[in-house]
Amino acid sequence: EPEVTQTPSHQVTQMGQEVILRCVPISNHLYFYWYRQILGQKVEFLVSFYNNEISEKSEIFDDQFSVERPDGSNFTLKIRSTKLEDSAMYFCASSEPGLGEHEQFFGPGTRLTVL
Amino acid sequence: GQNIDQPTEMTATEGAIVQINCTYQTSGFNGLFWYQQHAGEAPTFLSYNVLDGLEEKGRFSSFLSRSKGYSYLLLKELQMKDSASYLCAVPSNDYKLSFGAGTTVTVRA
Repeated sequence: EPEVTQTPSHQVTQMGQEVILRCVPISNHLYFYWYRQILGQKVEFLVSFYNNEISEKSEIFDDQFSVERPDGSNFTLKIRSTKLEDSAMYFCASSEPGLGEHEQFFGPGTRLTVL
Repeated sequence: GQNIDQPTEMTATEGAIVQINCTYQTSGFNGLFWYQQHAGEAPTFLSYNVLDGLEEKGRFSSFLSRSKGYSYLLLKELQMKDSASYLCAVPSNDYKLSFGAGTTVTVRA
C-alpha cells in the first residue's frame, strides 16, 4: 500500500541552526501539507502546497519557514533559524485532487528537538 | 475560522462501547474527519462524514448532524489496542485540516 515517508525520524539541532525536513508524498497525490504537533498539544496546520506553490499558510508559518518541491518526488520544509519553541513533531501529508472524501495520508513524522 | 471541541479523556473497559463527541463551528462545511493517533505516531484515517447520519465501518461508526454542528465516533467491542487519541478534524475550502485537541481513550482490562 502506498505511503508517505519522512526523513529523518529524529533531528536534534542547536538554536539558530537551519534544518530541512524531507517528505516523499504518495506518488499520484497533488496536494501536500505540513503540520506540527508540540508535545501534548493538538495537531496544527502549517502550510498547504499545490501546483508548485503555497495554497495556504497559517500564522505559525512565518518568514523562517519555507517549503519546496525540488523534484517530482520530494517535498521539503526548511526552518532557517530554529528556535526552542520549534521543538515538535512535524508531519507531512498528501492527498488526491478533487472534492469529497479528501483523505489526507500522514507520514510517520520527524521529531525535531531544538537545544 | 474553525472551532472544534471534544472531551479530553475517556476511560472504558475492554469489550465495552465508548462514544466520543465533537462539536464544531466552521465558516463553511466540507465534511468532518475522524483520525486515530497512537502516542508518538502519525494520525491515521478512520472516517469521513459529509451527509447527516451514521456511517458504519466494522467496530467503528461515525455520526454527523450538520444542523447541530455535532459529530460522534462510536467505538464498539473495545480492545486494548484501541487505547489512543481520537482526533476530530474539519477541512477548509482548500482542504487544510483543523484538528480538535483530541480525546485520549484508555481501555482497561
